[in-house]
Amino acid sequence: GAVVSQHPSRVICKSGTSVKIECRSLDFQATTMFWYRQFPKQSLMLMATSNEGSKATYEQGVEKDKFLINHASLTLSTLTVTSAHPEDSSFYICSAAPGQRNYEQYFGPGTRLTVT
Amino acid sequence: QQPVQSPQAVILREGEDAVINCSSSKALYSVHWYRQKHGEAPVFLMILLKGGEQKGHEKISASFNEKKQQSSLYLTASQLSYSGTYFCGTGNTGTASKLTFGTGTRLQVTL
Repeated sequence: GAVVSQHPSRVICKSGTSVKIECRSLDFQATTMFWYRQFPKQSLMLMATSNEGSKATYEQGVEKDKFLINHASLTLSTLTVTSAHPEDSSFYICSAAPGQRNYEQYFGPGTRLTVT
Repeated sequence: QQPVQSPQAVILREGEDAVINCSSSKALYSVHWYRQKHGEAPVFLMILLKGGEQKGHEKISASFNEKKQQSSLYLTASQLSYSGTYFCGTGNTGTASKLTFGTGTRLQVTL
């Protein structure tokens, strides 16, 4: 149990375009999902907390208009990187907290974004 | 502030033991331990909740000292599959709180 999927696993896009990343909890309902970013050989940095049916809470320094987060249902959250630039290239990982044991978090497999 | 993990890196021979420490400057409700292999997402190992409990399964166990705001992960009789980067993630509340991840510990197990 507690499986989280992400799609796509890898994406290459041109500078200026937008990219959408999906995060799904496959076998549980997740009232809360989290989006992280990880640079090579570094730790995970939380970008935002997403709650179903409400606006996401962004961490300090994360641009809301650049990283659009939508938590449309209890099993799906999306992250859209708008007007991507090479410095947005990174490994993006989502995690989901089960409704009944919401202090636990389970991670998706991650999305490698490369902006050329 | 990011929890500090020690050591930063360790190399073990198969069968040896290791201890990874995680120290926070903030009061903690929970400590989560993950292992991440290169290019993959972190894999959940275990969670410890406020109360100073110790947990374990097979050869991997952990302790949580909430007074000292520290947790330790114990790896015994290490296997090649244990190689990876270990992260602690700390939570400050009992609900679905955001985790602050530690600095990471790179573990390499060799033959």
